[in-house]
Amino acid sequence: NAGVTQTPKFQVLKTGQSMTLQCAQDMNHEYMSWYRQDPGMGLRLIHYSVGAGITDQGEVPNGYNVSRSTTEDFPLRLLSAAPSQTSVYFCASRSTGTLYNSPLHFGNGTRLTVT
Amino acid sequence: AQTVTQSQPEMSVQEAETVTLSCTYDTSESDYYLFWYKQPPSRQMILVIRQEAYKQQNATENRFSVNFQKAAKSFSLKISDSQLGDAAMYFCAYRVNTGTASKLTFGTGTRLQVTL
Repeated sequence: NAGVTQTPKFQVLKTGQSMTLQCAQDMNHEYMSWYRQDPGMGLRLIHYSVGAGITDQGEVPNGYNVSRSTTEDFPLRLLSAAPSQTSVYFCASRSTGTLYNSPLHFGNGTRLTVT
Repeated sequence: AQTVTQSQPEMSVQEAETVTLSCTYDTSESDYYLFWYKQPPSRQMILVIRQEAYKQQNATENRFSVNFQKAAKSFSLKISDSQLGDAAMYFCAYRVNTGTASKLTFGTGTRLQVTL
């Protein structure tokens, strides 16, 4: 039972480089999201999607792009990495049927360091 | 905007004892959900317990229970018979019930140490 799969687990980038964090879920969840976790700040929402072809900004969207071409995949793109984007990134998904109290299911995170 | 406050950055409890982690939230909504997540050193985010605001009864999951005070906007987590495996970061989270796009807002977390 894979759940939410994130790759890579670790990544080091130089300032200005671009990269894509991959996220896939096999639970047929419509809602998917990306969070970043920084010490003392909890988890903050970057972008989210309520279905294929639909995305929206969260609390801290600057410097990140997303797309949702399929229900399963929700990649996060860093266009030009900056040291301020050093963080741990989590992808999470949930059901959006009648179970409005359904919790988020998280991937295992990606630790990104930008030098 | 809704905010979630965890005022205890760190807590410590002895094995087999009981500890309570505090969480308050600010909202003008009446229909919402509250969650506690656990993050052990493995970094994995694990759901501990959830509470629907319309339910008066406090949620319980084995050794974990909540004290939900809707009027006070308080949602504390009680861990009974603490075990070494309970050592982790604990995050309180809130989500208003506005349908499919409703977002989960997290507090800043409480690091729980469990000592022998």
